[in-house]
Amino acid sequence: EPEVTQTPSHQVTQMGQEVILRCVPISNHLYFYWYRQILGQKVEFLVSFYNNEISEKSEIFDDQFSVERPDGSNFTLKIRSTKLEDSAMYFCASSSRPNEKLFFGSGTQLSVL
Amino acid sequence: DAKTTQPPSMDCAEGRAANLPCNHSTISGNEYVYWYRQIHSQGPQYIIHGLKNNETNEMASLIITEDRKSSTLILPHATLRDTAVYYCIFHGFGNEKLTFGTGTRLTIIP
Repeated sequence: EPEVTQTPSHQVTQMGQEVILRCVPISNHLYFYWYRQILGQKVEFLVSFYNNEISEKSEIFDDQFSVERPDGSNFTLKIRSTKLEDSAMYFCASSSRPNEKLFFGSGTQLSVL
Repeated sequence: DAKTTQPPSMDCAEGRAANLPCNHSTISGNEYVYWYRQIHSQGPQYIIHGLKNNETNEMASLIITEDRKSSTLILPHATLRDTAVYYCIFHGFGNEKLTFGTGTRLTIIP
C-alpha cells in the first residue's frame, strides 16, 4: 500500500533555531496536511494545503510556521524560531480529495531544548 | 472541540469481537463518521467510514444507527496488534480538518 514518508524521524534543536520537517505525500494525492501531538495530548490540526496555497489553518499555526511544496513530491513544514512548547510529534498527511480518508506518515519527533 | 463521545478505555479478550461505541448526536446530514486508530505513537491509521449505511471492509465493520446519532466499530476477531487508541470523527463537506478527541484506549488481553 502506498505510504506517506516523513524525515527525519527525530529532530533535536535548540530554542530559537529554525527547523524544517519534510514529508513525501502519496504521489497522486493533491491535499496535504500537518498535524501535531504533544506528548500525552490530543492530535491537533495545524494546516491544510491545496493547489499551492493554504486552505485552512488553526490558531496554533502562527507566523512562526510556514508550509511549502517546493517541488512535485515534497511538502515541508518550517518553524522559524522554535520554542520549547513546539516540542511534539508532527504528522504529515495526504488525501486524494477533500473530506476523503487521510493517510498519515509515521511522524517526526521534534525536541526543542 | 470534538463532537463525539467515546468511552475512555475498554478491554477485550484476544480472539473475541471488540465493539467500540461512539455517540455523535450533533452530526449533520452531509458528515461522514470516520474511524481512525493510533497504535502507540505512530501516525493515525484510517479504519473505515460511513454515512448512514452499515459498512464492512477487511479491517472492521461499522454499524450506524438509523437516526445517525451513534455508531459502533466492530473488530471481529481482535488480536494483540489491535491494541490502540480508536477515534470516532466527523468529516464532511465544508469541514476539511479532522478534529481528534481523546478516543477509546482499547487493550486486547491475551
